[in-house]
Amino acid sequence: AQTVTQSQPEMSVQEAETVTLSCTYDTSENNYYLFWYKQPPSRQMILVIRQEAYKQQNATENRFSVNFQKAAKSFSLKISDSQLGDTAMYFCAFKSGGGADGLTFGKGTHLIIQP
Amino acid sequence: EPEVTQTPSHQVTQMGQEVILRCVPISNHLYFYWYRQILGQKVEFLVSFYNNEISEKSEIFDDQFSVERPDGSNFTLKIRSTKLEDSAMYFCASSEIATGGQPQHFGDGTRLSIL
Repeated sequence: AQTVTQSQPEMSVQEAETVTLSCTYDTSENNYYLFWYKQPPSRQMILVIRQEAYKQQNATENRFSVNFQKAAKSFSLKISDSQLGDTAMYFCAFKSGGGADGLTFGKGTHLIIQP
Repeated sequence: EPEVTQTPSHQVTQMGQEVILRCVPISNHLYFYWYRQILGQKVEFLVSFYNNEISEKSEIFDDQFSVERPDGSNFTLKIRSTKLEDSAMYFCASSEIATGGQPQHFGDGTRLSIL
């Protein structure tokens, strides 16, 4: 079974700063996908970024990028030029490569962007 | 942008009663999922559904739970004989396909409170 660990329950940074959220996972599989989801106070979980395990290149989406270290089983999220609207819970999630398995989530990091 | 919609947003039920949570997945999606999040804990996978049958289920998804696609648009989660520990947020999600790292799109969730 897979496990996902987010070791930072809460983080707070000033607006415009860069922040990195950590995520580690454990799996014996070689084909899998990793995701970061954002859950603002409005509750709906929104996909931020995803990474295919077979790709060495780190995924990037505008101000969001990941540092994927497959050997270390680490998948951190970097948010550059943070904005007030980035305040949310951030969940790291793992999915096996095949089948309709559900996502395995970490406990989440509550990110607060201070004005 | 198409969304997954869930109703009701909050459901209060007496212990021992049956409850049905409803979801309308995104129209061209083929895979449907239910997750739950007990307050302060991780989001946990319950079940996935494809082609009118369960694809995968977790150990949480026991005989107390059932899922159904009663018509062409709704996807329901039924909890029979509810217990206090069933109190949680329940999220529905859908995806176009299950493989290839296709992201799951989540609804706003239904907060279920068992009294």
